[in-house]
Amino acid sequence: KAGVTQTPRYLIKTRGQQVTLSCSPISGHRSVSWYQQTPGQGLQFLFEYFSETQRNKGNFPGRFSGRQFSNSRSEMNVSTLELGDSALYLCASSLRTGGAEAFFGQGTRLTVV
Amino acid sequence: AQSVTQLGSHVSVSEGALVLLRCNYSSSVPPYLFWYVQYPNQGLQLLLKYTSAATLVKGINGFEAEFKKSETSFHLTKPSAHMSDAAEYFCAVTAPSYYGGSQGNLIFGKGTKLSVKP
Repeated sequence: KAGVTQTPRYLIKTRGQQVTLSCSPISGHRSVSWYQQTPGQGLQFLFEYFSETQRNKGNFPGRFSGRQFSNSRSEMNVSTLELGDSALYLCASSLRTGGAEAFFGQGTRLTVV
Repeated sequence: AQSVTQLGSHVSVSEGALVLLRCNYSSSVPPYLFWYVQYPNQGLQLLLKYTSAATLVKGINGFEAEFKKSETSFHLTKPSAHMSDAAEYFCAVTAPSYYGGSQGNLIFGKGTKLSVKP
């Protein structure tokens, strides 16, 4: 069974640009969550999607957005990139929401210059 | 607010020695608790989980953790460290739902980097 796939693995963008990251969950999993990991703030929750609906959102500005498609694949978008957005972005998939174990992808390393 | 505290950002042990990584949580509802491991430039791999069944939870690679409600702790242990255990370890708890139960997102501790000396 394939794991969680995130693309691309590495990305370099310029301040002010926008970026879209992709996540394909494990087959059959309907919940996808996104996390930002930085050395200073650690792992912080961005948002969760379940059956194409945003179920929960973390404390991030509106520049961060996401969506989920009918096949459970998810994308997150960051507009007007800032230097502080440089981070490892991790996607996690679960069978269901509310405490089910989450399986993580390898992440997308975003560098904003 | 929900929180997870991992005592010690860095822990160093000798190969063959006991590994003890500490985690304390705060939760207003019975939590689900997890330990994850992260190797450099990789995602998180689930080591073990507590979901209100047995309080002593066994995971992969010889790790186990004990849920102690009275101490609000969920410490991770391994009897004998191996060089391949060197990595960063994260304790996580599910966030409580306003309607009872748990939400889907995880709240993570700051992580503990484990070094294993030969």
